[in-house]
Amino acid sequence: DTGVSQNPRHKITKRGQNVTFRCDPISEHNRLYWYRQTLGQGPEFLTYFQNEAQLEKSRLLSDRFSAERPKGSFSTLEIQRTEQGDSAMYLCASSQQGGELFFGEGSRLTVL
Amino acid sequence: AQKVTQAQTEISVVEKEDVTLDCVYETRDTTYYLFWYKQPPSGELVFLIRRNSFDEQNEISGRYSWNFQKSTSSFNFTITASQVVDSAVYFCALSEAHTGFQKLVFGTGTRLLVSP
Repeated sequence: DTGVSQNPRHKITKRGQNVTFRCDPISEHNRLYWYRQTLGQGPEFLTYFQNEAQLEKSRLLSDRFSAERPKGSFSTLEIQRTEQGDSAMYLCASSQQGGELFFGEGSRLTVL
Repeated sequence: AQKVTQAQTEISVVEKEDVTLDCVYETRDTTYYLFWYKQPPSGELVFLIRRNSFDEQNEISGRYSWNFQKSTSSFNFTITASQVVDSAVYFCALSEAHTGFQKLVFGTGTRLLVSP
């Protein structure tokens, strides 16, 4: 499968724990995006990378959130000290410059 | 500010019926793109179409067609002869020139249920 891959698909954690999600984009895509989707809502932009550079971060991305793309390939999204309000689907997408975004199947986070 | 409104929360139809999903957008940019994505139960957003603001031609792809009208800021999506496999949540989205087209602003989605 050469699409966008996200792991884990589902994570259940207790409030206060740290979690990390990984995204492997389509190999020739230099842009990578993170979105968050809560129940009954459309996805909301969090951040994006061009190669290894993080070019924009949404105000939704609090200090507890950090995203990296160290070698310009895969990316990780870490949430520290999780809160119940962090429960959502975290979607990763990739694209070539100027091209359409291709989304992964998402990582669903449940914070108890 | 940019905004996408999908007023229909859920639509139920019987197979073979035609169905139209509405999308109304707001933007201050004169250059923008509009999109439709399909989200089946698996969760993955599947790209359906991208339309730039200078191209108001309607488009047809198989059973799918799109009607873009700048005068009413609408980008509606019609499925002809719906099938059970069309059941999904459909999102309309907007990206604008002033963001370098890097951010998609999504509507809240319309859940389509097609019964046999």
